[in-house]
Amino acid sequence: GENVEQHPSTLSVQEGDSAVIKCTYSDSASNYFPWYKQELGKRPQLIIDIRSNVGEKKDQRIAVTLNKTAKHFSLHITETQPEDSAVYFCAASNSGGSNYKLTFGKGTLLTVNP
Amino acid sequence: GAGVSQTPSNKVTEKGKYVELRCDPISGHTALYWYRQSLGQGPEFLIYFQGTGAADDSGLPNDRFFAVRPEGSVSTLKIQRTERGDSAVYLCASSRFGLDTQYFGPGTRLTVL
Repeated sequence: GENVEQHPSTLSVQEGDSAVIKCTYSDSASNYFPWYKQELGKRPQLIIDIRSNVGEKKDQRIAVTLNKTAKHFSLHITETQPEDSAVYFCAASNSGGSNYKLTFGKGTLLTVNP
Repeated sequence: GAGVSQTPSNKVTEKGKYVELRCDPISGHTALYWYRQSLGQGPEFLIYFQGTGAADDSGLPNDRFFAVRPEGSVSTLKIQRTERGDSAVYLCASSRFGLDTQYFGPGTRLTVL
């Protein structure tokens, strides 16, 4: 089955700096890669996703890149703010039919220091 | 519109007891997923429903776990003879048929004493 590795496990940055979180996946058939933000005690919230037919996607301060050959994808947050502090999870999915079950990484605790 | 809801938000039970966890998906979402999240880990897939049928239950850890979705909307995750290792947050997610974007509920925190 799919295996997703995520690094780093913790990341501390100063407000205004950029943050980068990296993930690798094992199943070359995976074709959907979402990123979720989870605040303490809250539900995971989708912040951005990318599909295997594109290499990069951007939404305001957040961008995701995908390298299918190397089987890795990354989340980039620019101009970080204290409210960006949370746990971020990457995930991968192979849409075998209509089943998009997600395999998650272990998460990255991002702390943005004011 | 309303998001995915789950009840109860917290459940404390004793080892050996039976529990039921409920998920109300977003209206019109035919796909429903259950995940389990242990402390400090990412969610782990348990079971996937498309409509009323369990299309993929490969993530259920053993036969003490069972889930139903009799009318293709609300789903119930049932755990028999609970063990302390079952303690975790149980998350539910839903999506439209044929679409990959999943929306999560707030989860049920299960504690087995």
